Amino acid sequence: EVQLLESGGGLVQPGGSLRLSCEATGFTFRDHVMNWVRQAPGKGLEWVSSIIDSSRLSSPSTYYADSVKGRFTISSDKSKNTLYLQMNSLRVEDTAVYFCAKDHAADYDILSENRFDSWGQGTLVTVSS
Amino acid sequence: QSVLAQPPSVSGDPSQKVTISCSGTRSNIGGDTVVNWYQQFPGKAPKLLIYYDDLLASGVSDRFSASKSGTSASLAISGLQAEDEADYYCAAWDDSLNGWVFGGGTKVTVL
Repeated sequence: EVQLLESGGGLVQPGGSLRLSCEATGFTFRDHVMNWVRQAPGKGLEWVSSIIDSSRLSSPSTYYADSVKGRFTISSDKSKNTLYLQMNSLRVEDTAVYFCAKDHAADYDILSENRFDSWGQGTLVTVSS
Repeated sequence: QSVLAQPPSVSGDPSQKVTISCSGTRSNIGGDTVVNWYQQFPGKAPKLLIYYDDLLASGVSDRFSASKSGTSASLAISGLQAEDEADYYCAAWDDSLNGWVFGGGTKVTVL
């Protein structure tokens, strides 16, 4: 059974930093694109970032939403089956529940294979003074 | 403002059919990509409902169906039941943004 367990959320002041973690079990971590999706209170879903970190690649491929580019960094540790999101220069508008999501596919070569087929329960990040 | 446009809410009586639209552009829905749909209950994580435009995810009732045409997609729920009350989101890969885009979500209410 696939399980994704996020941690690391909390209260942080504007301009501060936070690192989220997502521990994955029940599947071969390196064989899937991994993602972060967030949801501000009372709002809809917003894709944040994706990472392709398969054994075929010499270095991971990363993708970011414009709203977080240059401030957030996605990474993964295949030895620990863990996904990370380093969030710097946090803004009030970054306040949200952050979900870790597993993609069905290993890459974006064939988009028909891509979908978020498993999600964690989320971790709440609150940016406030 | 979401890249994909969905109606904020739809409602229907039990057993009726409701349809949720999802409107995009040529860089996402109208391009070489797919539309996926997610269902989310309050306080819960989203769940994959439909993938590759019109395929039911595992364990999903066949009362759900979806289609795509041009730059739009739609999700239909037939035989509406109280348990279908939830938020529904469309999503697609956007070639211009090089990332995923979601609709703003549609709240389905069973009257």
